[in-house]
Amino acid sequence: DTEVTQTPKHLVMGMTNKKSLKCEQHMGHRAMYWYKQKAKKPPELMFVYSYEKLSINESVPSRFSPECPNSSLLNLHLHALQPEDSALYLCASRTSGGYNEQFFGPGTRLTVL
Amino acid sequence: DQQVKQNSPSLSVQEGRISILNCDYTNSMFDYFLWYKKYPAEGPTFLISISSIKDKNEDGRFTVFLNKSAKHLSLHIVPSQPGDSAVYFCAASPQGAQKLVFGQGTRLTINP
Repeated sequence: DTEVTQTPKHLVMGMTNKKSLKCEQHMGHRAMYWYKQKAKKPPELMFVYSYEKLSINESVPSRFSPECPNSSLLNLHLHALQPEDSALYLCASRTSGGYNEQFFGPGTRLTVL
Repeated sequence: DQQVKQNSPSLSVQEGRISILNCDYTNSMFDYFLWYKKYPAEGPTFLISISSIKDKNEDGRFTVFLNKSAKHLSLHIVPSQPGDSAVYFCAASPQGAQKLVFGQGTRLTINP
């Protein structure tokens, strides 16, 4: 299994809602990532989990709250988002050897109204 | 400071010909270089990588060349196919780093 899966595929939420994005990988990777991507831009790193511990937070606003329940799962909890947070949210996982290859999921298209 | 630069926002190539995508970097600490392909509304797909100790890596129709002295890498796709039309990102990182530094991307269009 060489896949990273993400749910939901699309999400529309109001600014007062609370929602969660989910990511799963079964490749045995011990590093997992959340990225945000806007149109015509490269992925922008948000968080890195290494061995289920948060190792990098790229000064992300607290309305985004990551969680790593176990080595295969990664969640991103969303609360009180702004319209400018609308974007494609990508999860990735990384091999522990190799050339630092990260493998991305298909993303969740988030729209904040 | 953009450490990884893709100076061509777009490239148009005839089907069957060679596509050459270029990437320049400034950080001499980068050890690993990667190329990703991205279709609209999908996650990036890893294509090919190379270590700084090599100057060439091949995988099927894709070849990556690295010129360390010029701090330049390129991705060659031959022959180009319509399904290759996508945005291509190059990325780099030092050994042991958790982050990848991405270029801004080049949109490749393959014309029939």
